[in-house]
Amino acid sequence: DVKVTQSSRYLVKRTGEKVFLECVQDMDHENMFWYRQDPGLGLRLIYFSYDVKMKEKGDIPEGYSVSREKKERFSLILESASTNQTSMYLCASSLSLGLAQNQQFFGPGTRLTVL
Amino acid sequence: SQQGEEDPQALSIQEGENATMNCSYKTSINNLQWYRQNSGRGLVHLILIRSNEREKHSGRLRVTLDTSKKSSSLLITASRAADTASYFCATDTGRRALTFGSGTRLQVQP
Repeated sequence: DVKVTQSSRYLVKRTGEKVFLECVQDMDHENMFWYRQDPGLGLRLIYFSYDVKMKEKGDIPEGYSVSREKKERFSLILESASTNQTSMYLCASSLSLGLAQNQQFFGPGTRLTVL
Repeated sequence: SQQGEEDPQALSIQEGENATMNCSYKTSINNLQWYRQNSGRGLVHLILIRSNEREKHSGRLRVTLDTSKKSSSLLITASRAADTASYFCATDTGRRALTFGSGTRLQVQP
């Protein structure tokens, strides 16, 4: 089975801190994604990557950056955390299926609180 | 409104009843997928239906797709308390990523 792991289940940070959220998948998937999930808003795509060192902005990239130095690892970085970035962060990966999107495999999520 | 909106937002039924959730979307799609999320956890893929398919089954799940109406429905038959979760539809519109809706919260009363 595909396993997607996230570095922390719960994280509490202070405003202005630099925050790293790590995601690792073990099935050699090309595509990796970062979402945030807020009540009533569903999942919103922050960034995604379809290859090592490749990244594309999603729908809400402001305040975030990403890094993909190795195929199995995709990091989300909050350069200067703010209280409005308090949220559940979900990482996902998928195998490429030509031009179509394959099913995504999700990690357990990181609940980030910024004080 | 956003691509991939589920309806209703919340649904409460008794164990053994069927649960139907609907998803509407705006643009043409390659495929549509349904996911389940148990409280506080990641999402789990349930089923994928391609744009040239009209109906698909997987166990107690039945998904239909009407591309002319830009809508899909997920039917869970003979529901169980363990089906209590949030259900999301996600559309592949060809932009290299899925677009998720805001979900339907299903509560199955034992």
